[in-house]
Amino acid sequence: GAVVSQHPSRVICKSGTSVKIECRSLDFQATTMFWYRQFPKQSLMLMATSNEGSKATYEQGVEKDKFLINHASLTLSTLTVTSAHPEDSSFYICSARDSEGQGGETQYFGPGTRLLVL
Amino acid sequence: AQSVAQPEDQVNVAEGNPLTVKCTYSVSGNPYLFWYVQYPNRGLQFLLKYITGDNLVKGSYGFEAEFNKSQTSFHLKKPSALVSDSALYFCAVRGRIYNFNKFYFGSGTKLNVKP
Repeated sequence: GAVVSQHPSRVICKSGTSVKIECRSLDFQATTMFWYRQFPKQSLMLMATSNEGSKATYEQGVEKDKFLINHASLTLSTLTVTSAHPEDSSFYICSARDSEGQGGETQYFGPGTRLLVL
Repeated sequence: AQSVAQPEDQVNVAEGNPLTVKCTYSVSGNPYLFWYVQYPNRGLQFLLKYITGDNLVKGSYGFEAEFNKSQTSFHLKKPSALVSDSALYFCAVRGRIYNFNKFYFGSGTKLNVKP
């Protein structure tokens, strides 16, 4: 199946700093990528849909100025958590939808990024 | 409204016994249905999906799922559980027409397979 990578896998930062998380589709092109947030023992919460070459679409209740998304190429989307606070600590997971080929309907997920804000 | 329900927070099964993880959905029209597995501190791994055709779908690691339209269910099954199957399992649905980009996830079911 298709492979999606995320970097970094784990990050610890001080409150008030910004953190950038990268999501890459390694062997396919993804015009659409998704960013999720997962709290311990809970399901995934969709934060935003990242569209290559256009603005991201944010879910209700997600601050677009807090969580900046850039989808500059067909294989890369970035999520920047600006002025991070302890309540932003979470597990962030990206996914990408294969735009072409047989797996067109499937979302492939990255391994996740564990963010801890001190 | 679109929703997915996994009624069991946890399923316990002995190794070698069959397992079932339940999922029901409420989606407009005929949905795409998926099962994913998540190991600790990892992302989700795709297991199988139902798009159309045969209601019984076979996926990775010996898992299968049966689409039941009348009961709006998509239960995950495996004839003989392994200890290594212990993980968190998520059911997801995606609309064919409306909200076709969005996945709606269930709350997850923790599967414990005991030796």
